[in-house]
Amino acid sequence: DAKTTQPPSMDCAEGRAANLPCNHSTISGNEYVYWYRQIHSQGPQYIIHGLKNNETNEMASLIITEDRKSSTLILPHATLRDTAVYYCIVRLSLQGAQKLVFGQGTRLTINP
Amino acid sequence: NAGVTQTPKFQVLKTGQSMTLQCAQDMNHNSMYWYRQDPGMGLRLIYYSASEGTTDKGEVPNGYNVSRLNKREFSLRLESAAPSQTSVYFCASSEERKYYEQYFGPGTRLTVT
Repeated sequence: DAKTTQPPSMDCAEGRAANLPCNHSTISGNEYVYWYRQIHSQGPQYIIHGLKNNETNEMASLIITEDRKSSTLILPHATLRDTAVYYCIVRLSLQGAQKLVFGQGTRLTINP
Repeated sequence: NAGVTQTPKFQVLKTGQSMTLQCAQDMNHNSMYWYRQDPGMGLRLIYYSASEGTTDKGEVPNGYNVSRLNKREFSLRLESAAPSQTSVYFCASSEERKYYEQYFGPGTRLTVT
């Protein structure tokens, strides 16, 4: 599995867009990028995933560079409830069980 | 739907004691997982079960055993607890066609003294 690198912490003002970067320079052509978040003391929550096209859902947008060596998770209008640790994971998309490997992630703090 | 439930929520054990952590899901998911999270760290996979009747080791299986009792339930057993197993344990499940989207339980906070 490709290794990912994320900044350990970030701050963002409430109501602004939060842009969380992730480097995955060793990603292979058939590996997906997944994002999860973990709000304090809770189990992680799936946010979004993508292969090479940009993706958007009700929670966030995922922008993947053309060379696929990095990506950015965008929370368009951050709220205090978005304060959490955000994990970027790169993994092959296989049938059956997914052995997700969580690194240390980025601790995002949304400030009022 | 309750989603993924775990029992107990908290547990304190003495070194050498044994216990079983219970996990159940009501989403009819095929795959289930056990992770541990140490303070300030990301999650690490202990064991997983791709489908009923199968189990496989994850990243850190030593000191643990698992049982996939049926499609709903996946238990984690510590035979002889050690202080190094002090951690928060999360159970998760995923459906066959959305295997990337894992649903996590609330966690069990285990302290071994």
